Amino acid sequence: AQKVTQAQTEISVVEKEDVTLDCVYETRDTTYYLFWYKQPPSGELVFLIRRNSFDEQNEISGRYSWNFQKSTSSFNFTITASQVVDSAVYFCALSVPGSGNTGKLIFGQGTTLQVKP
Amino acid sequence: NAGVTQTPKFQVLKTGQSMTLQCAQDMNHEYMSWYRQDPGMGLRLIHYSVGAGITDQGEVPNGYNVSRSTTEDFPLRLLSAAPSQTSVYFCASSYTQSGGYNEQFFGPGTRLTVL
Repeated sequence: AQKVTQAQTEISVVEKEDVTLDCVYETRDTTYYLFWYKQPPSGELVFLIRRNSFDEQNEISGRYSWNFQKSTSSFNFTITASQVVDSAVYFCALSVPGSGNTGKLIFGQGTTLQVKP
Repeated sequence: NAGVTQTPKFQVLKTGQSMTLQCAQDMNHEYMSWYRQDPGMGLRLIHYSVGAGITDQGEVPNGYNVSRSTTEDFPLRLLSAAPSQTSVYFCASSYTQSGGYNEQFFGPGTRLTVL
């Protein structure tokens, strides 16, 4: 069975602090994909990043960076110098190829990040 | 492109009523799905479709029906609403190539309350 765990329910930081959101996943498949989505207060889901199981390179995009470690089954997300606009719920998700070549997303519970001015 | 659209944005139902949540996409995506979002539980897959005429159950399908007569539309039907179906519903679509690699595009959501 596949599972995604985001143990941090809520995190509160002051603007300009760095913050790391944890994501731990479970799957027995060797091919899988990991995603992060952002849900701002307006409610929509915004795609942030995708990573496949064969690519363990870390990725940086502006103030955002992602650390993928297969050895610990983790795909953590770090925001550097946080801003108030980063306040949102962040979801980590896992996709495993199945029949019909589809990838059903399995979501973690989400982490609510509050960045205070 | 409008992307993924959902109607209505808000809906209040009484227990036992039926209704259909509409979802449409104009990106020619083969894969479409419905999720529900509940506090502390993330998003859970209700039903999905890999193309017109093909649907399958997700993690929490009970109480919901779907059909896919066209590539563009994927409505979700509640036959007899129950308070446990109070939730925010998201429709999503994506290409099916590469077995789950492609990002899913989400609609804006429908907030449903069942009294």
